[in-house]
Amino acid sequence: DADVTQTPRNRITKTGKRIMLECSQTKGHDRMYWYRQDPGLGLQLIYYSFDVKDINKGEISDGYSVSRQAQAKFSLSLESAIPNQTALYFCATSDSREAGELFFGEGSRLTVL
Amino acid sequence: KQEVTQIPAALSVPEGENLVLNCSFTDSAIYNLQWFRQDPGKGLTSLLLIQSSQREQTSGRLNASLDKSSGRSTLYIAASQPGDSATYLCAVRTGYSTLTFGKGTMLLVSP
Repeated sequence: DADVTQTPRNRITKTGKRIMLECSQTKGHDRMYWYRQDPGLGLQLIYYSFDVKDINKGEISDGYSVSRQAQAKFSLSLESAIPNQTALYFCATSDSREAGELFFGEGSRLTVL
Repeated sequence: KQEVTQIPAALSVPEGENLVLNCSFTDSAIYNLQWFRQDPGKGLTSLLLIQSSQREQTSGRLNASLDKSSGRSTLYIAASQPGDSATYLCAVRTGYSTLTFGKGTMLLVSP
């Protein structure tokens, strides 16, 4: 099983719908991140969390919210999805005690029609 | 603001060749630099992490070097194989949360 698991892997939805992407990890890492990847733009940080009660905005947080329900779980929500949120979304983790190496999940492909 | 550039954007080589992928960054005040591999539609797999105090790291056929003063890193792949075909990304950390990614080099190794 993957150390960083994202669900769903693929989702097609309509404009205005609420969507939640979930991430869980078994690496025991304290830090978790949500990134978005668009063709030609690279990866951009949406939100990050350094501990259960810690939430921080990244470069492109508008239109998104997150919840860190437990050390191992970090979910990303789109309250009212719009077509330009169509992208590949990645969850990542790192351990503050270990050099900052980042580990990624397999990604969640979201299409907003 | 940190900017990370990867050249070339795409590279095609025959199997068996040694090759070098380049990554340059504008702000030399970095904590570390990480190289990743991404297969189409998949997540990023960490290949090598170089701390700012290190000059290089090696893993199997891969060797990554770091020259902070010139803002450059290279990923050397020895004896390339078709299974090495993927997009390679470098990412530079300049703060606790600040990780800046390049746009990647798409590598195709033909049999």
